[in-house]
Amino acid sequence: GESVGLHLPTLSVQEGDNSIINCAYSNSASDYFIWYKQESGKGPQFIIDIRSNMDKRQGQRVTVLLNKTVKHLSLQIAATQPGDSAVYFCAELTGGGNKLTFGTGTQLKVEL
Amino acid sequence: DADVTQTPRNRITKTGKRIMLECSQTKGHDRMYWYRQDPGLGLRLIYYSFDVKDINKGEISDGYSVSRQAQAKFSLSLESAIPNQTALYFCATSGGGTSGRDNEQFFGPGTRLTVL
Repeated sequence: GESVGLHLPTLSVQEGDNSIINCAYSNSASDYFIWYKQESGKGPQFIIDIRSNMDKRQGQRVTVLLNKTVKHLSLQIAATQPGDSAVYFCAELTGGGNKLTFGTGTQLKVEL
Repeated sequence: DADVTQTPRNRITKTGKRIMLECSQTKGHDRMYWYRQDPGLGLRLIYYSFDVKDINKGEISDGYSVSRQAQAKFSLSLESAIPNQTALYFCATSGGGTSGRDNEQFFGPGTRLTVL
């Protein structure tokens, strides 16, 4: 079946460094993707999204890159801060645009 | 997220008991969802509803049922709880529509359920 997955379950970075979180997806028909951040004890929260007609989208300290050729999505966090420590999920819109399918998540740990 | 509330936040129950988790939203969204999250796994969709008269099974609906009492309320029931239903449960809402951002889902704070 179709799936969304992440390459690395845990990523440790030094405070101030840039973080890159990767996601592979297999549904070539997906045309919309979201990155969510989940802090401990909370529900996931929207970070940034991207449509399939785009390769790159930037937000505040975050950038999402989409490579449709290899079905790969990445989230880049600039100048990583302790408050960025969380689990990050990618999600793709599937089911004819009706459902979000989530990846397994990457735990980002920021070391001081 | 204050716009989406879940009750209870924590619950411990015994095998075979019936339990209901409730979700309310003030965002005025038509679409509501129930997910479960297990350690090391992503969010898996249990049920979803696109309006009061619409209920759809997700990928792991066995052992669960739902009720959409109103646009703002969507409850999840475990008719006879079993230990492998111990997990974190999230409710979410979305507005739907043709715009990609309309499909953004807003999540509640979660309910931690333990079945002994």
